[in-house]
Formats: sequence, structure tokens, C-alpha cells
Amino acid sequence: QVQLVESGGGVVQPGGSLRLSCAASGFTFSSYGIHWVRQAPGKGLDWVAFIHYDGSNKYYADSVKGRFTISRDNSKNMLYLQMNSLRAEDTAVYYCALIGPIVVANKWFDPWGEGTLVTVSS
Amino acid sequence: DIVMTQTPLSLSVTPGQPASISCKSSQSLLHSDGKTYLYWYLQKPGQSPHLLIYEVSSRFSGVPDRFSGSGSGTDFTLKISRVEAEDVGVYYCMQGIHPPPNTFGQGTKLEIK
Repeated sequence: QVQLVESGGGVVQPGGSLRLSCAASGFTFSSYGIHWVRQAPGKGLDWVAFIHYDGSNKYYADSVKGRFTISRDNSKNMLYLQMNSLRAEDTAVYYCALIGPIVVANKWFDPWGEGTLVTVSS
Repeated sequence: DIVMTQTPLSLSVTPGQPASISCKSSQSLLHSDGKTYLYWYLQKPGQSPHLLIYEVSSRFSGVPDRFSGSGSGTDFTLKISRVEAEDVGVYYCMQGIHPPPNTFGQGTKLEIK
């Protein structure tokens, strides 16, 4: 079963830090680039960051550049998002996701996690 | 960065009637590899988004054939030939051109009359 499971969300004060994790299973994690996408309460989807399959290249939305760091550990099938200098406007559900379909054992999948909620509030 | 503009932002449709959503990008999404990386997602209430259409017009596995995608370059359309009650939710287009940043449209909320 292809699966992405996020964890690490919670309540943090403005200026604080948090590290999100995403555990991948059921597919060859090390073969795919992967994204973080967020959704503020009642708002639309907002792309946050992307990392190449081997971690060689990383890309960020302007709104998080210099504050957030995406990383991965292919030996553990794990994706991370280190979030520093958090602001109220970073409050959102954070999803890890592969954009576009993948094929595993002749079945098609569209891997998105269920999300983890980050609340930045004093 | 590429800006994605969806219209309309909301739709109210009678079951059995068609629906259409437009998505325009500020730059061409045609990649040098010949593919156009335009996706359509549906987010049903309380759920994660799920893929409907990839590369403009390819229907994802299990997506009913009443959903179709079309377009090229900067102009794209998602059509539902006959809306059903289960189609309610928010539809997003997304550009996945490489390299990122990638961007979503604002979303179109579909409700049933």
C-alpha cells in the first residue's frame, strides 16, 4: 500500500521552530522528488517546497525561503521540513505529496498524506 | 513565478448538467521534453486533494470519464459532462513545470443546486 504519513505538527509561538516528518511506504521513495504543500484554514492549496529524488536540488516558495529547509533520508524513507522563525501566516495543514501519478506493481497511485496541522500562535 | 488563474471561483450546478472550469497560466507550461505539466485536483470536504487529470488531459486511474481536461500552452479547461452529487468540492489546477516553484490556482468551489 502506497502511503505518506506526516507527523510533527502542533502549536508553536511566533518566532519558534518545528520539524515536520513524512514517512513513505509502499514505493521506491528514493526514486521520486517530493513536495510539501500547505493549506491555511479555509484557504486554498499553497506549494511550499520540493526536493529532488536524491536530495541534490531543493526549491522553495518565496514566502518560506530562508526560514524553511526541506531534506530527506532515503535510507529511512523519510522526508522532513525544518521550519524556523515561524509566523502566524504559516498556520496551516502541511501535506507531503508526489505531484502526478506513479505506478507500483501495475497499479496507479497519487500519493498525498493526510496532513499535519501547524498552529503558530502566542 | 508562474501565476495560475482559475475562473469561476464558484459554481452551482444542477445534477446532470455540465460544468466547466478555466485555468490560465502566466507562462507556457510546455516543457522542453514535449510534455505540458498541468494537473487538476479535487479536494472533497475534510479530505486531502486527489488527482483527477495529469498532463492536461490524461485521466487518472479510477476517475470517471465524465471528467475531461483540455488545453495547451497557457489556457486549460476542466469539464464535467454531467455533474453528480459526489463531485462537490474544490477543484484546483496546478502547474508542475520543472524546476519549481510550482503553483496552484485559487480553487473553484463546486456545489450542487
